[in-house]
Amino acid sequence: DGGITQSPKYLFRKEGQNVTLSCEQNLNHDAMYWYRQDPGQGLRLIYYSQIVNDFQKGDIAEGYSVSREKKESFPLTVTSAQKNPTAFYLCASSSSDRSSYEQYFGPGTRLTVT
Amino acid sequence: AQSVAQPEDQVNVAEGNPLTVKCTYSVSGNPYLFWYVQYPNRGLQFLLKYITGDNLVKGSYGFEAEFNKSQTSFHLKKPSALVSDSALYFCAVRDIGWDSGYALNFGKGTSLLVTP
Repeated sequence: DGGITQSPKYLFRKEGQNVTLSCEQNLNHDAMYWYRQDPGQGLRLIYYSQIVNDFQKGDIAEGYSVSREKKESFPLTVTSAQKNPTAFYLCASSSSDRSSYEQYFGPGTRLTVT
Repeated sequence: AQSVAQPEDQVNVAEGNPLTVKCTYSVSGNPYLFWYVQYPNRGLQFLLKYITGDNLVKGSYGFEAEFNKSQTSFHLKKPSALVSDSALYFCAVRDIGWDSGYALNFGKGTSLLVTP
C-alpha cells in the first residue's frame, strides 16, 4: 500500500529528554512537512522540506530539529528546548506536480512529556 | 499572507438533513483551497480541492464545496448527512510561493456532530 507511516503512535517521555518521531512515505513525493496539532488551534507548521538535504523552518520551529537524508524519510526531533512538547504531531507529503497540490497525512504520533 | 477562517467551532445536524461547514479565506492572489476531515486520534484525510475551473467541486464521500470569489468563501456541503460524517473538518489554503514549499495554512477546525 502507498502512504505515509508514522511511528510510534503513542510516545511518552520525561521532561528534559530529546525524542525523535519517525515519518516515512512511499508516494515518491518531493515535499514533506511536520505539523503540530493542539486542541482548538488547528495545525501549525513546524518544518518542511522540498528536496533531499534541504529543509526550512515553519511557524513554530523553535525547540525542534529535522533532517532529510532520504526522499522517503523526514524524522522530527523534539528537543528539551521545546517548552510545551505534549501534542499530536502530524507528518504530511505532497507532490510538486501543479495539478495535485494536496497534502497526504500520516496517522500521527501523540507525544506526552511529563 | 494567506489565511482561512472557520467561524463555527461546532455544527450540529440531524441525520438526513443537508449540512454546511463554513470557510472564508484571505489571499493576495488566486487561492488554492482544500477540505480535510479528521476522525479522533487519526491523521487528516483529503476530501476535495479547488485549484481552478468550476466553482462547484465534488469530492469524496458525497461532499462538495462551492468556491465563491466575491464572498471569499469555500463552504463544504453535503445534501444528506450521515452519523458517520461526525468528525473534525479543516479548511486550508495553499501558500502560493515556492519559497513556502507549498505549505498549507489551516483553519482551526469545525467539529461536525450528526445526530440520529
